[in-house]
Amino acid sequence: QKEVEQDPGPLSVPEGAIVSLNCTYSNSAFQYFMWYRQYSRKGPELLMYTYSSGNKEDGRFTAQVDKSSKYISLFIRDSQPSDSATYLCAMISRAGGTSYGKLTFGQGTILTVHP
Amino acid sequence: KAGVTQTPRYLIKTRGQQVTLSCSPISGHRSVSWYQQTPGQGLQFLFEYFSETQRNKGNFPGRFSGRQFSNSRSEMNVSTLELGDSALYLCASSQAGGSYNEQFFGPGTRLTVL
Repeated sequence: QKEVEQDPGPLSVPEGAIVSLNCTYSNSAFQYFMWYRQYSRKGPELLMYTYSSGNKEDGRFTAQVDKSSKYISLFIRDSQPSDSATYLCAMISRAGGTSYGKLTFGQGTILTVHP
Repeated sequence: KAGVTQTPRYLIKTRGQQVTLSCSPISGHRSVSWYQQTPGQGLQFLFEYFSETQRNKGNFPGRFSGRQFSNSRSEMNVSTLELGDSALYLCASSQAGGSYNEQFFGPGTRLTVL
């Protein structure tokens, strides 16, 4: 079983829809949670970073972390065609003094927002 | 500020050969991490280098190795290539230090093994 499981999609939604992307994890040592966006033929870019349980909002994006359920989500409001990309959740464990340089990723969800 | 650069962008090799990929981090960044991305396995951590020392290692065979130079530039090497090594290889740099710092990814090197 993978440490991080992500709904694989693909997901296709109309412009303006609310998108929900989800990941679950099994390693309780994960403490830092990130969402990356990757466009075709590009490297991933960081969208959101959270540490504690709860919600964090940045414009149209809201990241939600529930450590008790080992579940994280990313919500995109008023989705736009430019949001079409692969979305990856990522996590960092600091167990055993592991540095912040090791990210464990979910499989990624391909999102298409059509006009 | 220039981003993370990776060379070459595309590479075609045959089984049994070896390959060296290069990564230049953002100026001032001292940590470089390498990842392999495939459709089947997704993004998987290979290793991380900081101050010319390997600080973390993923679950890859010894055919995968890396190094970091004093200017923080990093290289990774794959020896005795196998078909399954075909992937996008990404490097990411960060300022490192004692707290979380964002990792910035390069565009990747697309390796095809024939």
